Amino acid sequence: DQQVKQNSPSLSVQEGRISILNCDYTNSMFDYFLWYKKYPAEGPTFLISISSIKDKNEDGRFTVFLNKSAKHLSLHIVPSQPGDSAVYFCAAMRIYSGAGSYQLTFGKGTKLSVIP
Amino acid sequence: DTGVSQDPRHKITKRGQNVTFRCDPISEHNRLYWYRQTLGQGPEFLTYFQNEAQLEKSRLLSDRFSAERPKGSFSTLEIQRTEQGDSAMYLCASREDYLAGTYEQYFGPGTRLTVT
Repeated sequence: DQQVKQNSPSLSVQEGRISILNCDYTNSMFDYFLWYKKYPAEGPTFLISISSIKDKNEDGRFTVFLNKSAKHLSLHIVPSQPGDSAVYFCAAMRIYSGAGSYQLTFGKGTKLSVIP
Repeated sequence: DTGVSQDPRHKITKRGQNVTFRCDPISEHNRLYWYRQTLGQGPEFLTYFQNEAQLEKSRLLSDRFSAERPKGSFSTLEIQRTEQGDSAMYLCASREDYLAGTYEQYFGPGTRLTVT
């Protein structure tokens, strides 16, 4: 049962335009969400996170939006650059003590290609 | 500090052999995680340590798998009697204590295991 879903396996965007990557989750117990970027043969690199008490978090060109009622989050990259080409993973966790807490549950990833 | 390191980066072994991987977390990160990633999937949680205590194990971690963190610093993951289905990228991540107000996990480069 996939608790975190990234339904778009791939996305192509022109350089300078906005990239929007989407993620849906089914477990209402998740209360912290993260986006990771991964290049081939490397480990995931943390990009940005958001707590369930917020609906938006910004860091430079990256903004994450959270819609709790829809169990949906998105990552916006503006402007997109060729160096952003990578696989992007959405991840979720519970931040309370107890079984299953703090472990990350990942989606399958979306491969972003930014075309110069 | 240069981040989470893992050794070896690549391991090729024959079916039935035992293998051991090492992870050195970011210094002063008392929480350490192991994940496994197969082709086309996101990383999947295997096990979690707080200092030297192994607090959680996934059902993915069969009895052929064992992990240790004897002094609360580096960790090892051993797979006994390897099978072809064990071929995957094994990722280690570490995190500061939750009291610091951060929940992000920082990943190492991974160990790519190929079982022939």
